[in-house]
Amino acid sequence: EIVMTQSPATLSVSLGERATLSCRASQTIGSNVAWYQQRPGQAPRLLIYGESIRATGIPARFSGSGSGTEFTLTISSLQSEDFAVYYCQHFDNWPPWTFGQGTKVEIK
Amino acid sequence: EVQLVESGGGLVQPGGSLRLSCSASGFNFNTYWMSWVRQAPGKGLQWVAKIKEDGSEKYYVDSVKGRFTISRDNAKNSMFLQMNSLRVEDTAVYYCARDWTLPFFDYWGQGILVSVSS
Repeated sequence: EIVMTQSPATLSVSLGERATLSCRASQTIGSNVAWYQQRPGQAPRLLIYGESIRATGIPARFSGSGSGTEFTLTISSLQSEDFAVYYCQHFDNWPPWTFGQGTKVEIK
Repeated sequence: EVQLVESGGGLVQPGGSLRLSCSASGFNFNTYWMSWVRQAPGKGLQWVAKIKEDGSEKYYVDSVKGRFTISRDNAKNSMFLQMNSLRVEDTAVYYCARDWTLPFFDYWGQGILVSVSS
């Protein structure tokens, strides 16, 4: 099983600042990572997949990078609606398709 | 517009059974893999089960193998999760999710709560 480890658990950021979230895979997975946003009381929403491909309707301030075992989600200028929990997930060939434990982005 | 709507959740005693349904609309259901993903209260996301477009392949997380069964009815644009021998640790919000052409999830339902408690 591939273990996805996210850091930090909580990130305190001011409006308009840059946020950098990390995700590490326990084995190499190429660029097979997806990122999701989950606001309180809502279902997760797909943000980014593969080599920084934004899902439909996702603003350009969200970007992804990395390959192999180290991945990063960057939010260039935080807006109020971006305060949420973010999850990474590997989509390598074989199950289980695991998620990281999440990073909560909160207002500083 | 893609819509996924779960139903069938509720409170059940340990050892009991429950059948979740997911009703899909707004896309060609029979051309997509589909999955169930769950989230225990205050916890992260866990993929549970996945089914191929025609139902010929199914995958499960180890913790539910032999207890849960995923199925689909393409004529009714619906997916199901039969959950037997339920345990307290199965308590979670269960999401129906559509797989993109690769095994990640581009659309999610609103989720349905399953509570296992005596």
